[in-house]
Parts: sequence; structure tokens; C-alpha cells
Amino acid sequence: GAGVSQSPSNKVTEKGKDVELRCDPISGHTALYWYRQSLGQGLEFLIYFQGNSAPDKSGLPSDRFSAERTGGSVSTLTIQRTQQEDSAVYLCASSPRLGAAKNIQYFGAGTRLSVL
Amino acid sequence: GESVGLHLPTLSVQEGDNSIINCAYSNSASDYFIWYKQESGKGPQFIIDIRSNMDKRQGQRVTVLLNKTVKHLSLQIAATQPGDSAVYFCAENDGGSNYKLTFGKGTLLTVNP
Repeated sequence: GAGVSQSPSNKVTEKGKDVELRCDPISGHTALYWYRQSLGQGLEFLIYFQGNSAPDKSGLPSDRFSAERTGGSVSTLTIQRTQQEDSAVYLCASSPRLGAAKNIQYFGAGTRLSVL
Repeated sequence: GESVGLHLPTLSVQEGDNSIINCAYSNSASDYFIWYKQESGKGPQFIIDIRSNMDKRQGQRVTVLLNKTVKHLSLQIAATQPGDSAVYFCAENDGGSNYKLTFGKGTLLTVNP
């Protein structure tokens, strides 16, 4: 089946503009995660959604960052008033809620954001 | 704070040799570990995982070893191929928040033909 899909694959924006990044998880996966990966670095956790539960937003770096997940499927990560330090690859992952694979996160290819 | 780190940031091997990528963790409560492979321009891809009640797990050409005494994790790749060239990340789950993974910074593996 299809994997995690992210769009756009690349986004170039000007400082101060808002951007929206989209994630389509694997069908049937109830858990969805957003990470940020700066150049040559590991993955920084941003936010986690699980079913209808309140999301864990503990990793969001500032109030300029927000995310929503509509209908328990597609998620949008919004960055308002972008800054140059927001430039990074934003990765989305999903995982099934139950079963042996519940802890395995399956990643999309990411959105490379460049803030000029 | 608690973190997952790697001993070697880069590793260069000859095609056909075995590769060993190391990872140290400091959270003694961690009970689940995953190795991911990330090729250039792609998202991380699951390779193999291991739970803390095991000390070894084997997959296809890969073996993960877990030493809880010294909080050390390693990924062994047998007969390394050029297609194995990538950044390898270890990640841990602390068992408390059963969904959040903490990733190390990664090791770049380069396979020379």
C-alpha cells in the first residue's frame, strides 16, 4: 500500500510569511508525528496525534508553530511568520495503534523548507 | 538530560566488509530501541528493532546487539553493499510515553566499491 505522503516536497518562502505543510499518513494508522530535522542533525520531535486524544504539543518550539489533524487522517503543520532558523526538513511519520508494530514509525520523504 | 548519542559520526568501509555502527544511550528506563536508515533526500526507513528483554536480534544481513549493562546498542551490517551507504540513526523509547522516540544524531556510512 501507499506510504506516508508529504507535500510539498520543497518550499521556499520569504521571512515573515506563513507556510502550511501537509501529511497524509498510511491508511489505518491512528498515530501521527511531526519532526524537524536540521542539516546534519537528528530528528527533533514536534507534535504527536493519537486518534481523538488531545495532541502532545510539547515539542513545538514556539507559538508560531501549530498543527491540526482533521478527521483523524490528514495533518497540516503551520508555521506563522517564518524565520530563517525555521529552515529545515519537516518529517511526518505514522504508526498503527496496536499490534507488534505499534512503536515503529513510518516516515514520509519530508518537506524541505527554506526561509530566505 | 537523557539522550541518545553515537560514538562515531562517520564510518567508511569497503564493499563486502562488515560494518558496525554504535550507539550509547543514557536513559536506563528505555525499553525499546530502533535503527533507521536515511538515504539522501528520503525519510528514515525502519531497519530493525529490539526490546530490552533481548540482547540480540537478527534480520536480513543486519544484527542489533543490546548491552543494557553499559547502555550500548550496535547495528551490524554483514557484507556491506554500496546501497547501504546512508545515515543510520538509533532511537529509543523510554517506555513511559509509549510513542515518543528520541533520536541520536546519526552516523554516516560510506561504502567504497
